[in-house]
Amino acid sequence: DTEVTQTPKHLVMGMTNKKSLKCEQHMGHRAMYWYKQKAKKPPELMFVYSYEKLSINESVPSRFSPECPNSSLLNLHLHALQPEDSALYLCASSLLRLTGIGLNTEAFFGQGTRLTVV
Amino acid sequence: TQLLEQSPQFLSIQEGENLTVYCNSSSVFSSLQWYRQEPGEGPVLLVTVVTGGEVKKLKRLTFQFGDARKDSSLHITAAQPGDTGLYLCAGAGNQGGKLIFGQGTELSVKP
Repeated sequence: DTEVTQTPKHLVMGMTNKKSLKCEQHMGHRAMYWYKQKAKKPPELMFVYSYEKLSINESVPSRFSPECPNSSLLNLHLHALQPEDSALYLCASSLLRLTGIGLNTEAFFGQGTRLTVV
Repeated sequence: TQLLEQSPQFLSIQEGENLTVYCNSSSVFSSLQWYRQEPGEGPVLLVTVVTGGEVKKLKRLTFQFGDARKDSSLHITAAQPGDTGLYLCAGAGNQGGKLIFGQGTELSVKP
């Protein structure tokens, strides 16, 4: 199994709603990531979980709340979002293995959740 | 701050033409990766280059890592409409697990 599965694929939510995005991988990867991507732009890193602990938070607003229940699952809880938060939200995982030349950070991405905030 | 400068940002060519995409930095990277992303999908890893001067081929795609491990290029021979997509270079950042992405190259190959 070399897949990262994200649900839902599409989500429309109001500014007062609470919703969650889900991500799952069964490759034994120990790092999991949330990225935000706007059209024709590169992915912007939001959070990194390493060995189920939050290791990087790129100064993301508190209306985005990540959770890593176990090594295979990653959630992103959304609350009181703004229309400018509309984007493709990508989950990724990587082995995070130390090799002879450095850290292996090859990332496997899910298909993403297309989020629209109305 | 580690940055990756990718160029060109947009490229529109005819089927059968060749093209090269560049990814440059003032920082040394232990490895660089190239991804391709189609609309509505997540990026897919194409290749990782790890050794200075390394050249890797993937069918019509040729990837090169600079001798100083600060730059990389992607060359596509005889481009096809199926090559259309967003091409991204990425390198391992100083913070464990962080990937630094270039700005991306939006490639359109017209039949």
